[in-house]
Amino acid sequence: DAGVIQSPRHEVTEMGQEVTLRCKPISGHNSLFWYRQTMMRGLELLIYFNNNVPIDDSGMPEDRFSAKMPNASFSTLKIQPSEPRDSAVYFCASRNGGAGTGELFFGEGSRLTVL
Amino acid sequence: DQQVKQNSPSLSVQEGRISILNCDYTNSMFDYFLWYKKYPAEGPTFLISISSIKDKNEDGRFTVFLNKSAKHLSLHIVPSQPGDSAVYFCAASAGRNDMRFGAGTRLTVKP
Repeated sequence: DAGVIQSPRHEVTEMGQEVTLRCKPISGHNSLFWYRQTMMRGLELLIYFNNNVPIDDSGMPEDRFSAKMPNASFSTLKIQPSEPRDSAVYFCASRNGGAGTGELFFGEGSRLTVL
Repeated sequence: DQQVKQNSPSLSVQEGRISILNCDYTNSMFDYFLWYKKYPAEGPTFLISISSIKDKNEDGRFTVFLNKSAKHLSLHIVPSQPGDSAVYFCAASAGRNDMRFGAGTRLTVKP
């Protein structure tokens, strides 16, 4: 079975440009999470969805960040305009909220560098 | 607001000895706790979990201990192996909703 798939794996862009990160969760999972990894804060929760509905976006740092989940198999995290301090690794994770241990399954991450 | 804290950024142990990684939390609503392991250029992977109704859970070389009164949990790895060298994240969840992670502890196991 395919795991969580994220794209792109690496993105280098210039300040002010729009960045879109993509995520395909594991089929059948009904919860999706976006995290940002930084040295100082570790894995920081940005937003999570249950059944495609955003539940908590209080971790989204600024209005420059937005996330959507138009259907159960796809989500995007957009940064517009991007800034150098947005440079980090962004992880998407999914979970089957109704069964199992409740663990999250993570993608391999998207490393963003904003120059 | 860091609800899950890992105060040791790094830990180094000798192969065969015990590794103890610590984690503290502030939210008394957390009822499910997990440890994840992360290798470079990979996503975190689930290692072991514990529900708040228990104080210990063991899986092979890995044991997680939970002290609810102190809001503290720890991960014990015995015996430690070089392949255990990775970053370990502590995580907590309230009612299986969102999941909060700590900053991570980098474990190095020396041969």
